[in-house]
Amino acid sequence: ILNVEQSPQSLHVQEGDSTNFTCSFPSSNFYALHWYRWETAKSPEALFVMTLNGDEKKKGRISATLNTKEGYSYLYIKGSQPEDSATYLCAFMGTYKYIFGTGTRLKVLA
Amino acid sequence: NAGVTQTPKFQVLKTGQSMTLQCAQDMNHNSMYWYRQDPGMGLRLIYYSASEGTTDKGEVPNGYNVSRLNKREFSLRLESAAPSQTSVYFCAWGSGQPQHFGDGTRLSIL
Repeated sequence: ILNVEQSPQSLHVQEGDSTNFTCSFPSSNFYALHWYRWETAKSPEALFVMTLNGDEKKKGRISATLNTKEGYSYLYIKGSQPEDSATYLCAFMGTYKYIFGTGTRLKVLA
Repeated sequence: NAGVTQTPKFQVLKTGQSMTLQCAQDMNHNSMYWYRQDPGMGLRLIYYSASEGTTDKGEVPNGYNVSRLNKREFSLRLESAAPSQTSVYFCAWGSGQPQHFGDGTRLSIL
């Protein structure tokens, strides 16, 4: 059984704080790791596609890193804003497998 | 939304009733998926279709059937709805890349 785990499950931060969360995935048969942003009452939207060990992607105040050898990815948000409040999902793409994590639910307090 | 039309958006059923959730994508893509989303469980794959005329079971297929009669449409059927099938259902398309999701169907079984 392949597990994709995300931590923490949820967190609250103050506006302006920086934060980060983790996605752990199997280190074998790795093809890609995807990060999604999922706002309440909407559908998930892709943030990053990460394929190479050591990859670092950035979009505005949000960035992500990838370590395929140890099987983890970090998502960072710098200077959190209320509009960053959402669930952040990672998905592991392996050979013939595509598995979502359970998500990290972020609430940014104004 | 992202080239995926999912209907209906909301539905309430009585236990034992049947219904079909419809999904259509206008991106001419081969792979389509049905997920359910439950609190604390992330997205769980019900069924997927790698191409027109083919379907395969995902992680939680029991109680569901699917149909992929053409490339554009992938429907999910509940033959005899049970309260355990109360959930939010998402259709998606894509492979080898992040998936693109419909807006979801919020289904309640009483």
